[in-house]
Amino acid sequence: GAGVSQSPSNKVTEKGKDVELRCDPISGHTALYWYRQSLGQGLEFLIYFQGNSAPDKSGLPSDRFSAERTGGSVSTLTIQRTQQEDSAVYLCASSSRPTLSSYEQYFGPGTRLTVT
Amino acid sequence: SQELEQSPQSLIVQEGKNLTINCTSSKTLYGLYWYKQKYGEGLIFLMMLQKGGEEKSHEKITAKLDEKKQQSSLHITASQPSHAGIYLCGADISGSSNTGKLIFGQGTTLQVKP
Repeated sequence: GAGVSQSPSNKVTEKGKDVELRCDPISGHTALYWYRQSLGQGLEFLIYFQGNSAPDKSGLPSDRFSAERTGGSVSTLTIQRTQQEDSAVYLCASSSRPTLSSYEQYFGPGTRLTVT
Repeated sequence: SQELEQSPQSLIVQEGKNLTINCTSSKTLYGLYWYKQKYGEGLIFLMMLQKGGEEKSHEKITAKLDEKKQQSSLHITASQPSHAGIYLCGADISGSSNTGKLIFGQGTTLQVKP
């Protein structure tokens, strides 16, 4: 596709339920990032994928959060037993990043998660 | 304290006026990114700067990187209502770990009065 896409665009869930958020990066982009944007915390890094592996998971806030990437393309962020503090906009970004330098990161439109 | 500080936090300017937004890092910069965000939408990529002294322009927006000061500035010339939004700077401070993950400033909200 032309850009990074994410689904769903909005998700309302009850506290305690599990949710899955999907990210389709730009075709050919090897690097994929998940960020979270909330009112109190601004925009925070969650996890980084290079290909299918995740060398940096340092931003995941708890073990309720996990992510995977398959085929070097689509990624899914899963939040188990959602809590109200998980409410935020979850943004995905991708980059054609090689190993040695910074490259442009393009963001998707985000998934707005509301936990009631 | 924030690793990446943006200033000002908000700005209201009259249409046609110039303005500058600053972004200062407390850590070594390996890449500095500028994005624009409208409420409820994703981040629109504006520019990326890597080398000290580098300057890039896109339409009426110019960004510069002062590597020694670990600072970048975004300058908008002859502002228009279409420039309104939230401007975010993001910094790659991953260094030798080379992940490319970004930390972000708190954003600058720009309003342009017609």
